Amino acid sequence: NAGVTQTPKFQVLKTGQSMTLQCAQDMNHNSMYWYRQDPGMGLRLIYYSASEGTTDKGEVPNGYNVSRLNKREFSLRLESAAPSQTSVYFCASNPQSGQGNYEQYFGPGTRLTVT
Amino acid sequence: AQSVTQLDSQVPVFEEAPVELRCNYSSSVSVYLFWYVQYPNQGLQLLLKYLSGSTLVKGINGFEAEFNKSQTSFHLRKPSVHISDTAEYFCAVRPMNTGFQKLVFGTGTRLLVSP
Repeated sequence: NAGVTQTPKFQVLKTGQSMTLQCAQDMNHNSMYWYRQDPGMGLRLIYYSASEGTTDKGEVPNGYNVSRLNKREFSLRLESAAPSQTSVYFCASNPQSGQGNYEQYFGPGTRLTVT
Repeated sequence: AQSVTQLDSQVPVFEEAPVELRCNYSSSVSVYLFWYVQYPNQGLQLLLKYLSGSTLVKGINGFEAEFNKSQTSFHLRKPSVHISDTAEYFCAVRPMNTGFQKLVFGTGTRLLVSP
């Protein structure tokens, strides 16, 4: 099992450009999440998908959109990048309720710089 | 709603010394508790978790944590640290409510182990 994979690992964008961060998991998990990590602020939830076919906003959704393409894949799109979106982005997944395991499994992250 | 406080943003310690990383939480409902570790330039991985039972929980790499319900704390300890324990540590909680629930993270504590 590869677990949770993310592409790309690094990206530099100019202000106003768009891009999509890809995430996939091979653990048959129901729920998937996108976080951003900034110094001194811990992890903040951007969007999540409780199950295939549903998506919801987290704490900091402005400037982002998501797509739950299928059970495996959950992408994050920046339509018009801004310097404030410079961050490290993590995708995570979790089996969710009824399976007794509440741990979230994290990908390796995407380091994004917007100039 | 839940919140997690990690008062120490950085903890410097010498190799082979003991360490305690503090975590306090606030919640109107019972919660599950987690500690995650993030090594430099990597994603987060689970160190240990408390779901029920004994309040002293042992995790990987010699770490342990004690759940104290009256003090709403879940402090992480290790009796003797190694250079390789240098990392950022995140405390997180998840409500025990049924149905879909999200993890709430603290802002992290950077453990710096020097020789």
